[in-house]
Amino acid sequence: DVLMTQTPVSLPVSLGGQVSISCRSSQSLVHSDGNTYLHWYLQKPGQSPQLLIYRVSNRFSGVPDRFSGSGSGTDFTLKISRVEPEDLGVYYCLQSTHFPPTFGGGTKLELK
Amino acid sequence: EVQLVESGGGLVQPGRSLKLSCVASGFTFSNYGMNWIRQAPGKGLEWVAYISSGSSYIYYAETVKGRFTISRDNAKNTLYLQMTSLRSEDTALYYCARQGATVADYWGQGVMVTVSS
Repeated sequence: DVLMTQTPVSLPVSLGGQVSISCRSSQSLVHSDGNTYLHWYLQKPGQSPQLLIYRVSNRFSGVPDRFSGSGSGTDFTLKISRVEPEDLGVYYCLQSTHFPPTFGGGTKLELK
Repeated sequence: EVQLVESGGGLVQPGRSLKLSCVASGFTFSNYGMNWIRQAPGKGLEWVAYISSGSSYIYYAETVKGRFTISRDNAKNTLYLQMTSLRSEDTALYYCARQGATVADYWGQGVMVTVSS
């Protein structure tokens, strides 16, 4: 299985600040169809995960432009600017290029 | 509005069976593949199983293959997960999720399965 490694595990932030979360895969996530199936989710406390970014850099419906995704191959980043209280929770990356789909271990975004 | 509502969870003894259901609304259920994804208490996310829109393609995680069966009834807008030979390590919150933009673009609220004697 493809191993997804997220860093850091915990990320203290001040409201209004900017943060980056890294996600690295054990093998390239470029699919034979040319797409890269790397996605980002946020799980707020007590809630189910919600999709933020799909295929590296595409914001899902209703996701504010404070969230942006980038990267290629095996190295990906989620950036959050102007952090708001509703952004707090655990962020997960997910790869679905290779079977089975695998998630990163999560990054907890919390207030300083 | 897309809604996915799971049910059927509970406390079950090791080796016993349980069947989860997920009722979908707000979209044309028969047009989408569906997944089950689970989360052990305090842990991360693990993909469990996938079924295509017409049930032609079905895939399982190695950890549940041979014990779990995913199925669907498009007339009832319902996804199922039949779980047999349950183990303590199957204890988790089970989510159903629609396969759209990604493996899981919309998630249900989850249903808890606890395997313990």
